[in-house]
Amino acid sequence: AQKITQTQPGMFVQEKEAVTLDCTYDTSDQSYGLFWYKQPSSGEMIFLIYQGSYDEQNATEGRYSLNFQKARKSANLVISASQLGDSAMYFCAMRDPGWRGGGADGLTFGKGTHLIIQP
Amino acid sequence: NAGVTQTPKFRVLKTGQSMTLLCAQDMNHEYMYWYRQDPGMGLRLIHYSVGEGTTAKGEVPDGYNVSRLKKQNFLLGLESAAPSQTSVYFCASSYSGTPYYEQYFGPGTRLTVT
Repeated sequence: AQKITQTQPGMFVQEKEAVTLDCTYDTSDQSYGLFWYKQPSSGEMIFLIYQGSYDEQNATEGRYSLNFQKARKSANLVISASQLGDSAMYFCAMRDPGWRGGGADGLTFGKGTHLIIQP
Repeated sequence: NAGVTQTPKFRVLKTGQSMTLLCAQDMNHEYMYWYRQDPGMGLRLIHYSVGEGTTAKGEVPDGYNVSRLKKQNFLLGLESAAPSQTSVYFCASSYSGTPYYEQYFGPGTRLTVT
């Protein structure tokens, strides 16, 4: 069975500081994808960044980067120069090819980290 | 290009009532998903579809039924609502079923069952 663990229920960070949100995962598949989503107080799910299990380079998207350590099964999200608008819930999620046997399965999510950026 | 839309945005039901949530996407995606989100939890997969006319169970399918009669629409039905089904429901779609494609989410439907 696959599992996503986010060990930080909440974090307070000063504006303009960098922040790392932890995510560890567990899968027996070799081929999988790791995703981070942001959920602001308005409730929508916003895709931030993706890392494939075969990608050798860490993914980056603007101020977001993913610190992918395959041997440790961790996929931490790094936000550089945090802004007040970064305050939100952040979810780590994994997708692998049909561990339930049917293929095209959905994402498995962690419980999230509530990030609050303080001025 | 609206992406993924969900109808309705809010709904209050009494125990035992039925309702259908509608999800529509205009990205010509084959794969569609229904999730629920409860307080303090991440999203959990209810049902999914890999194409028109197909559906499959996810992690928490009990009490729900789905249909995918048209490629662009994915319906989630509650035949006899229970308070345990109070949740926020998200629909999502994806271009591919492989692990390498993101899922696009709708805005969510907040359902309360009293």
